[in-house]
Amino acid sequence: EAGVAQSPRYKIIEKRQSVAFWCNPISGHATLYWYQQILGQGPKLLIQFQNNGVVDDSQLPKDRFSAERLKGVDSTLKIQPAKLEDSAVYLCASSSQDRGWRTGELFFGEGSRLTVL
Amino acid sequence: DAKTTQPPSMDCAEGRAANLPCNHSTISGNEYVYWYRQIHSQGPQYIIHGLKNNETNEMASLIITEDRKSSTLILPHATLRDTAVYYCIVIAGTYKYIFGTGTRLKVLA
Repeated sequence: EAGVAQSPRYKIIEKRQSVAFWCNPISGHATLYWYQQILGQGPKLLIQFQNNGVVDDSQLPKDRFSAERLKGVDSTLKIQPAKLEDSAVYLCASSSQDRGWRTGELFFGEGSRLTVL
Repeated sequence: DAKTTQPPSMDCAEGRAANLPCNHSTISGNEYVYWYRQIHSQGPQYIIHGLKNNETNEMASLIITEDRKSSTLILPHATLRDTAVYYCIVIAGTYKYIFGTGTRLKVLA
């Protein structure tokens, strides 16, 4: 079974530039999450999708961050314009809510490391 | 969302049991306790979860107190590969995972 795919793995940009991250979840997983993880901290939930609808985006800085999940499959997270404090690893995760022992288990991608100079 | 409290760091000797505590005193009746761990430079990995009964799988055991206000993750024979940050999370039906700062476990040779 293929895991959660993310790209790019690394990105270096100047402040005020824009960047986009892509995530392809595990096939059949209805729920998709984007997390931001700053060095030394736990992952911070930015947005949670259920199929192509937003469940929670209360922690997404909407003046500069946007995310979409067209057709309820893959997703894109965009930052425009980037700030120095956006330097972090952006993690995508997916889960299935089908009934079973591992219901709700999160499967994470390898992350996209962003450095803003 | 219920919050959890974990010690920031712990050490454990290789081969010994690692007992990682978590306090979740405001947990609701329908909220599950999940444990994840994050090895350096990787995404968090599922370990185990439970509602009110103790659970065991090939990776660990989860002991939940009768009042459900706290739990303990037990790694029965810790190895160097178990060195990681361990996160305790409580979630309900919306599966909104809120990670705290976790416990940084260092397994010592």
